[in-house]
Amino acid sequence: EVQVVQSGAEMKKPGESLKISCQSSGYTYLNFWIAWVRQRPGKGLEWMGMVYLRDSDTRYSPSFRGQVTFSADKSISTAYLQWSSLKASDTAMYYCATYTGDRESFDVWGQGTMVIVSS
Amino acid sequence: DIQLTQSPSSFSASVGDTVTITCRASQIITSGLAWYQQRPGRAPKLLIYETSNLQSGVPSRFSGSGSGTAFALTIDRLLPEDVATYFCQQANSFPPTFGPGTKVDI
Repeated sequence: EVQVVQSGAEMKKPGESLKISCQSSGYTYLNFWIAWVRQRPGKGLEWMGMVYLRDSDTRYSPSFRGQVTFSADKSISTAYLQWSSLKASDTAMYYCATYTGDRESFDVWGQGTMVIVSS
Repeated sequence: DIQLTQSPSSFSASVGDTVTITCRASQIITSGLAWYQQRPGRAPKLLIYETSNLQSGVPSRFSGSGSGTAFALTIDRLLPEDVATYFCQQANSFPPTFGPGTKVDI
């Protein structure tokens, strides 16, 4: 069974750095992307970008380019989302999801990582 | 970016009803649309991909249709467990975008 499991909730102060993770299992080959989606409290879904697990190729939404960094470690089938300096406006639930491209849909979702940034 | 609008934004229906949610795109989508269900406090779940293909494990009460700029998600025989927000999504054009969501209550 394909599964995607995310790291736990985080509470940080403005200006701090953070790296959250998303580990996939159940795939025979790593020929898929891990997409990151932001959902602010009470709001809709925003596609941030994605990283290709096999070779760490990345795609960024213009809205998030320069604000976050995606990376991956194929040896443990894990993708990462990183901030170098958090802002209060980064407070949100962050989901990762698999994307293979052929169906143009986000097939398997993680449970979400809640990030709260507050002084 | 392709903008997606959904209607209605929210509504209340009764158990057993058939409900339809529409999604309109600002440009023609050639490769189809996906639909997701997000129950309260849960992660989104893929229901439909490529406009009308049912994701494995999703009840056949859910169906998708449409083409061009107009798409729809239909839920037959509404159940209490269908209380959720439903989102459409396109990846025909970069960047992928989601609709604002339709909240369904019973």
